[in-house]
Amino acid sequence: DGGITQSPKYLFRKEGQNVTLSCEQNLNHDAMYWYRQDPGQGLRLIYYSQIVNDFQKGDIAEGYSVSREKKESFPLTVTSAQKNPTAFYLCASSNDRNYGYTFGSGTRLTVV
Amino acid sequence: AQSVSQHNHHVILSEAASLELGCNYSYGGTVNLFWYVQYPGQHLQLLLKYFSGDPLVKGIKGFEAEFIKSKFSFNLRKPSVQWSDTAEYFCAVNGGNTGKLIFGQGTTLQVKP
Repeated sequence: DGGITQSPKYLFRKEGQNVTLSCEQNLNHDAMYWYRQDPGQGLRLIYYSQIVNDFQKGDIAEGYSVSREKKESFPLTVTSAQKNPTAFYLCASSNDRNYGYTFGSGTRLTVV
Repeated sequence: AQSVSQHNHHVILSEAASLELGCNYSYGGTVNLFWYVQYPGQHLQLLLKYFSGDPLVKGIKGFEAEFIKSKFSFNLRKPSVQWSDTAEYFCAVNGGNTGKLIFGQGTTLQVKP
């Protein structure tokens, strides 16, 4: 079945460590997105990529980095510069702005 | 810049009650509008979308939404809710060429059996 796989589902890290969240899609979608979901704040866009080897900052990119070396993969690194990294992270992809996104199941990151 | 506002943060209804969740957006150009639902422990799923044509759109599970351009609104409705509709609902909009979706804050719906 086609879809988006995010791994791991739960991730724990110590403060000050960088951590990379995986996102893989087999939908042949060109565009991929990373969102952060916090209670009462909805989903906020971190980074997005419309084609391979290109990506743009979203609304809350500070403290995060991404790469898009392959069409299928769009990993997100949460760096030690992110001041409040504990959150639920969602990856999505799309091929047509008219049809919305397909979402992954998310990664819950807890930094202690 | 685009923005989306959902008026109700937490709604509690009894089964069979009617539902209307408000959504307003700010964007001056042509927009595509979406409602997503997140059931407990599940992926975000598309409920319905509007991008052109009939402003009254029907989605899955008996939901519908009406696009009122003059009011910049895209309210979600369901005539009779069920306990299984308990979930978080997100309104989203995209405009321009980027395809990126801007989401509202979300509304948590709790349906009492």
